Amino acid sequence: NAGVTQTPKFQVLKTGQSMTLQCAQDMNHNSMYWYRQDPGMGLRLIYYSASEGTTDKGEVPNGYNVSRLNKREFSLRLESAAPSQTSVYFCASSPTGTEKLFFGSGTQLSVL
Amino acid sequence: GEDVEQSLFLSVREGDSSVINCTYTDSSSTYLYWYKQEPGAGLQLLTYIFSNMDMKQDQRLTVLLNKKDKHLSLRIADTQTGDSAIYFCAESKEGTYKYIFGTGTRLKVLA
Repeated sequence: NAGVTQTPKFQVLKTGQSMTLQCAQDMNHNSMYWYRQDPGMGLRLIYYSASEGTTDKGEVPNGYNVSRLNKREFSLRLESAAPSQTSVYFCASSPTGTEKLFFGSGTQLSVL
Repeated sequence: GEDVEQSLFLSVREGDSSVINCTYTDSSSTYLYWYKQEPGAGLQLLTYIFSNMDMKQDQRLTVLLNKKDKHLSLRIADTQTGDSAIYFCAESKEGTYKYIFGTGTRLKVLA
């Protein structure tokens, strides 16, 4: 089983460029999440989707947009990348939003 | 607000037991989790405990929950070099879609 798949694994952007991080899960989970991980700060929630057709802001949503394309896919878009968005991004999913999270392997993003 | 705190580093010798500690502030948490992150990888769920339990054992892993002190611990018996990783404590509350993660404890196992 693939579980949660994220693409790309690595990306370097220049300030002001845009890009979309892709995430797909094959476990038929209802809830999907985007987190960013920064040194010494643990994981911080950017956006989440409780179920297909809904999205909500998390702790650090500024500078990001999301799309829950269907039950499987949840994408994260940076419209105008800034150096402060240099981070490792993780997508995760869970069956119902309370139970355990399943994580992708991450996208390491550098904004120069 | 809700917060989860962990110490940053722990070093143990191979074969010894490791104990990783975590404190949390939200007494209404439903589940408490331990995740493991190896270099360059995502977080992998190790184990979790319902908030109405005191202890859970799973092979080499023992989770202890002290609700009065809001303290969660993970004990790894017979620690191996393959256990070297970052361990995250997390909590969630039913119906909120919100998980709060600690900053992670980096475990280093010395051969």
